[in-house]
Amino acid sequence: QKEVEQNSGPLSVPEGAIASLNCTYSDRGSQSSFWYRQYSGKSPELIMSIYSNGDKEDGRFTAQLNKASQYVSLLIRDSQPSDSATYLCAVGVYNTDKLIFGTGTRLQVFP
Amino acid sequence: GAVVSQHPSRVICKSGTSVKIECRSLDFQATTMFWYRQFPKQSLMLMATSNEGSKATYEQGVEKDKFLINHASLTLSTLTVTSAHPEDSSFYICSANRNRGGGNEQFFGPGTRLTVL
Repeated sequence: QKEVEQNSGPLSVPEGAIASLNCTYSDRGSQSSFWYRQYSGKSPELIMSIYSNGDKEDGRFTAQLNKASQYVSLLIRDSQPSDSATYLCAVGVYNTDKLIFGTGTRLQVFP
Repeated sequence: GAVVSQHPSRVICKSGTSVKIECRSLDFQATTMFWYRQFPKQSLMLMATSNEGSKATYEQGVEKDKFLINHASLTLSTLTVTSAHPEDSSFYICSANRNRGGGNEQFFGPGTRLTVL
């Protein structure tokens, strides 16, 4: 059974701080990882995709992937109250277009 | 870009009726779409992979005769929940696969909240 593990949180950070979210996965063959943001009652929104080992930056977001360790992280710099949401980690299933999702980490950014 | 629509956004029906949900990719073509279900405070569970012009592939435990999927064109997939029962009440979300350089990315529709009385 392929799995994606995330700490459910909540992770509480003050406005302006860096939020750090982590994820591990069991599929050694996975070639892609993704971070989605999901507000309560809404569908997930893609915020970052990463396919190679190392860091990828996009605005206030930085994703880091380590395939050998089967680990992916997301840093959110200058956190804002509007970043408060559940962040879902997803990884690609080897040799398919399918994704396996973690249960999500709830982030709370307080003013 | 990468906009996916879903209709209806909310439906309430009586037990035993069938409900059809449409998923459209508005600004790109999607040979592959996916249907997920999400129960409160749980993660997304993949129900099936919908391929344009061929039969859908269902995940283990998902009844294909109950959840009928049709992918009639490169921009439209439909999910029909047949003979719905209260335990089918859930948040149904579709996604469409789009190739962006390094790989495929899934973009989600806004979801359909189904309540079966």
